[in-house]
Amino acid sequence: RKEVEQDPGPFNVPEGATVAFNCTYSNSASQSFFWYRQDCRKEPKLLMSVYSSGNEDGRFTAQLNRASQYISLLIRDSKLSDSATYLCVVIPNAGNNRKLIWGLGTSLAVNP
Amino acid sequence: DVKVTQSSRYLVKRTGEKVFLECVQDMDHENMFWYRQDPGLGLRLIYFSYDVKMKEKGDIPEGYSVSREKKERFSLILESASTNQTSMYLCASSYNRNNYNSPLHFGNGTRLTVT
Repeated sequence: RKEVEQDPGPFNVPEGATVAFNCTYSNSASQSFFWYRQDCRKEPKLLMSVYSSGNEDGRFTAQLNRASQYISLLIRDSKLSDSATYLCVVIPNAGNNRKLIWGLGTSLAVNP
Repeated sequence: DVKVTQSSRYLVKRTGEKVFLECVQDMDHENMFWYRQDPGLGLRLIYFSYDVKMKEKGDIPEGYSVSREKKERFSLILESASTNQTSMYLCASSYNRNNYNSPLHFGNGTRLTVT
């Protein structure tokens, strides 16, 4: 089993739709989790951290399910500009920021 | 805002050339990283550094070396470029080696083609 797994997609959704992605991780001791967004031929940019209690930033909601070892990203009211690849990142050990484990990303296309 | 600057956006080099990729960050971050990104393989860590003159190998260090003489600058060196090093190279930095909630901030990447 890969350390971090994502459904590559592509997810094709109409504008205004709600879409959710999951990211599973294998190390149950993993400490920190992030979602990044990457536009075509650009660098990844931090979208949001994922907190144990779940967190929301506008139309985006991130959740952590430790029992089932996955994190999720929910996007409400999708915009054309949300089209991108969404990467999940897991830091397996406390104090070990440099050992980030990256997913391969989920591709989202929001259509007019 | 954190700024991570990579010296070149696009670079074309010949096989066997020595290649320097430069990265500078302006936020006094302790950690700096070099990744390469290839289709289907995702982000792979080449080297990282958590302090001046300190470096550690990542997952794919072969064919690369790094230099960190100053805190703000982290250089990636391809001693003898080969065609399989054609890739997108991404530099990143993060705040503190002991702060595991510290996310990475990326430069805008260098697309290197080795012919």
